[in-house]
This record gives sequence, structure tokens and C-alpha cells, in this order.
Amino acid sequence: EVQLVESGGGLVQPGGSLRLSCAASGFTFSGYKMSWVRQAPGKGLERVATITDNGGATSYADSVQGRFTISRDNSKNTLYLQMNNLRAEDTAVYYCARGGLAVVFDYWGQGTLVPVSP
Amino acid sequence: IVLTQSPGTLSLSPGERGTLSCRASQSVSRTYLAWYQQKAGQAPRLLIYGASTRATGIPDRFSGSGSETDFTLTISRLEPEDLAVYYCQQYGISPITFGQGTRLEIK
Repeated sequence: EVQLVESGGGLVQPGGSLRLSCAASGFTFSGYKMSWVRQAPGKGLERVATITDNGGATSYADSVQGRFTISRDNSKNTLYLQMNNLRAEDTAVYYCARGGLAVVFDYWGQGTLVPVSP
Repeated sequence: IVLTQSPGTLSLSPGERGTLSCRASQSVSRTYLAWYQQKAGQAPRLLIYGASTRATGIPDRFSGSGSETDFTLTISRLEPEDLAVYYCQQYGISPITFGQGTRLEIK
């Protein structure tokens, strides 16, 4: 059974940093593109970042470019999102999802909440 | 690519047919058009990919169609459990984008 479990969310002050993790199981993690998608309270879905299967290429939404970094450790079956210089508008539930460009997002984690507030 | 979904909210009775629209600002390969269902407090769930292929375990009440800039998700014989927000997504051209969602209410 495919499982994606996010962790690392929590309250952070504006300008602060946080690293999210997503532990994957039930499939060959190194064979798949992975993405982070966020959802602000009461709002829709926004793809934040995507990484290729071997970590060789990444892409970001304009809203986070230069502040967020997606990475992965295939030996640990884990996806990461390093978030720096956080802003109030980054407040959201962050989901990891299996998929990326030209690959449908077929499995999603349960999400982790990141409130950014003084 | 901007995806515009309509209507914003759809209110129907059980047993009725629901038609949700997704319009793209430029042509999208149907190969890379998906629909997701998100129930309150839950993560999104893949319903349809490749514009018309149902994901594993999705009942045949759900069907997708369309091409280029106009795509449709049809839910025949609505059931109370279909209460959710439905999102379309294009994942063929960077950046990957989602529509703003259609909220389906069951009367």
C-alpha cells in the first residue's frame, strides 16, 4: 500500500524557517517524480515545487522561488521541503504528492499545517 | 496555463446528474488533464487522468471528457457522499496548475 506521511509543520514567525519531510512507503520511491502542493485556509490547490526521480532537476512556483528548496533522499525514501524567509501568505496545509510534470498526482499525503504568524 | 472552473458552486439532489466544466487559457493535451475530489478535512483524491481514464477504485458514475481548452467532469446519479470540492489540473506544461475548484452541494 502506497503511503505518504508528512511531518515538520507547526507555528513559525514571519521571516523564520521550517523543514517539512514526507516519508514514503509501499512503492519504489526512487522511480517517481515528487511534488509539494499547498492549500491556504479556505482556498484552492497550488503546486509549490517538483523534483525529478533522481533529484537532478527541480521546479518551483514563482511565489516561492528563491525561498523554498525541494530535495529528496532516495536511500531514506524521504522528500523534503526547506522553507526560508516565511511570510504570512505561506500559511497553508502542505501536501506531498507522488507525481510531477507529465506524471499525474496519484497519491497524496494527509498534509501538515504551517501557520506563519507573529 | 490558467484553468477556469464553472460553476463555482453546484447544488443538486441525489440521483441527479452533475456537469462540471474546466476551461483552459490555451490548449492542453488531454493526456495531461486530471480531476481530483477533495472532501472536507481530507487530502485530494485522484478521480480522472488523461481527461477520461478513471483512477483505481473510482466508480463508473464519474466520467471525464473534452479536449484542447474545454474539459468536463460528469457525475451521474449523484450520491450524498459526492459532497466535495472538485479540481481540474493540467500537468503537461510547466508550471503545473489547478483550477480554482467547483463546490458540489447535495440538497
